[in-house]
Amino acid sequence: DAGVIQSPRHEVTEMGQEVTLRCKPISGHNSLFWYRQTMMRGLELLIYFNNNVPIDDSGMPEDRFSAKMPNASFSTLKIQPSEPRDSAVYFCASSRDRSQFFGPGTRLTVL
Amino acid sequence: AQSVTQLGSHVSVSEGALVLLRCNYSSSVPPYLFWYVQYPNQGLQLLLKYTSAATLVKGINGFEAEFKKSETSFHLTKPSAHMSDAAEYFCAVTILTNAGKSTFGDGTTLTVKP
Repeated sequence: DAGVIQSPRHEVTEMGQEVTLRCKPISGHNSLFWYRQTMMRGLELLIYFNNNVPIDDSGMPEDRFSAKMPNASFSTLKIQPSEPRDSAVYFCASSRDRSQFFGPGTRLTVL
Repeated sequence: AQSVTQLGSHVSVSEGALVLLRCNYSSSVPPYLFWYVQYPNQGLQLLLKYTSAATLVKGINGFEAEFKKSETSFHLTKPSAHMSDAAEYFCAVTILTNAGKSTFGDGTTLTVKP
């Protein structure tokens, strides 16, 4: 079975540009999580969905960040406009029975 | 609310020595507890989980953890460290009603010396 799929794996962009990160969860999983990981702040939960509905977005740092889950097999995390401090590895994870399965991450660099 | 404290952000052991990574949790209701491992440039992978069945849980790669309610602990152990065990390890806690949302510890980086 395919695990959680994230794209792109690497993204380099300039400050002010829009960035869209994509995630395909494991089929049959009903919860989806977006995390950000940096050396300074560690692993941070940004937002999570249950049955495609956003449950808790209190971790989203600013209005520049938005996330959607239009169906059970796809989610996006958008940053508009991006800033250098958004540089991090962004992980998507999905869950069915409270065990989380993480994707390989998207390494974002904002210049 | 739930919380997790991992004691020691860095642990170093010699190859073949016992690995002990400490995790204490706080939860007002019976918790589910997890250990995840993260190798460089990869996502987190589930090592093992406790879900109120046996208190001694065995996971992949020879790791195991024991749930001790009286000590609110869920320490991770492995009898003999291997070089390939070098990674970052995260303890996490969740509860039944959280739709799978877990609270993660800050992580412990394990170094294995030859």
